[in-house]
Amino acid sequence: ETGVTQSPTHLIKTRGQQVTLRCSSQSGHNTVSWYQQALGQGPQFIFQYYREEENGRGNFPPRFSGLQFPNYSSELNVNALELDDSALYLCASSSNAGSYEQYFGPGTRLTVT
Amino acid sequence: RKEVEQDPGPFNVPEGATVAFNCTYSNSASQSFFWYRQDCRKEPKLLMSVYSSGNEDGRFTAQLNRASQYISLLIRDSKLSDSATYLCVVNIPNDYKLSFGAGTTVTVRA
Repeated sequence: ETGVTQSPTHLIKTRGQQVTLRCSSQSGHNTVSWYQQALGQGPQFIFQYYREEENGRGNFPPRFSGLQFPNYSSELNVNALELDDSALYLCASSSNAGSYEQYFGPGTRLTVT
Repeated sequence: RKEVEQDPGPFNVPEGATVAFNCTYSNSASQSFFWYRQDCRKEPKLLMSVYSSGNEDGRFTAQLNRASQYISLLIRDSKLSDSATYLCVVNIPNDYKLSFGAGTTVTVRA
C-alpha cells in the first residue's frame, strides 16, 4: 500500500451542491496532486499543492479549489456541482514538487445526480 | 492533438503470450515517462519508469523512441494477473503536471 488515504470512498451529491474531499499524503511527502478520472479516461490533472501553496493547475474552472495543511494533508473543494463532475477523484503524493514519481490514494468516487 | 494518445485495446491474449503496445506523446520537450497499471475501479500504481536506453523489470520491458515520440511496453509470458489497464504517463515541460493517456486494456485469458 502507498500510505496515501482518501475520504470518503463514495459520495452522492445533487447538482448545485458543494463537496469537500480529503487526502492524507504518504509520510515524508510534502506535495499533493489532485486528479479527476472520468469513466474510460485517464486521470486529468486538477492542481498540485506544495508546502501549502498551489503549485500548478490544469484546465479546471475556479469552482474547483483546494487547500493544503501544515501536515501536508489536502482538501479538494468543488462548488456548484454539475452532472459532469461525476468521476473518481484521485490524490497523489510525492516527495517534493519536482518529483514525478507519484503515489496514488484509493480515490473518492463522486456521483452527482 | 492530445498530449498522450494510446490504443485503447482491448488486447486479449492467452496466458504465456507476449503482448506489446505503444503510446505517442505530443511535446518533444518531455523528459520523464512512466507506465502505470490500473486495475478495475482501483487507483493507478506505478509500474515502471521509462529510461532513454530502455529498461526491463522482470517480464516487462519499456522502450522510448524520442525521434518518433513514442514509448512502448512489452509484457512477456503473460499471467492472468497482468489483466489491467496500462496508463502511459508523460511529464509536461516547465510544469509539474503529469499527463496521462486514456489507457490500454489488456486481458489475459487462461
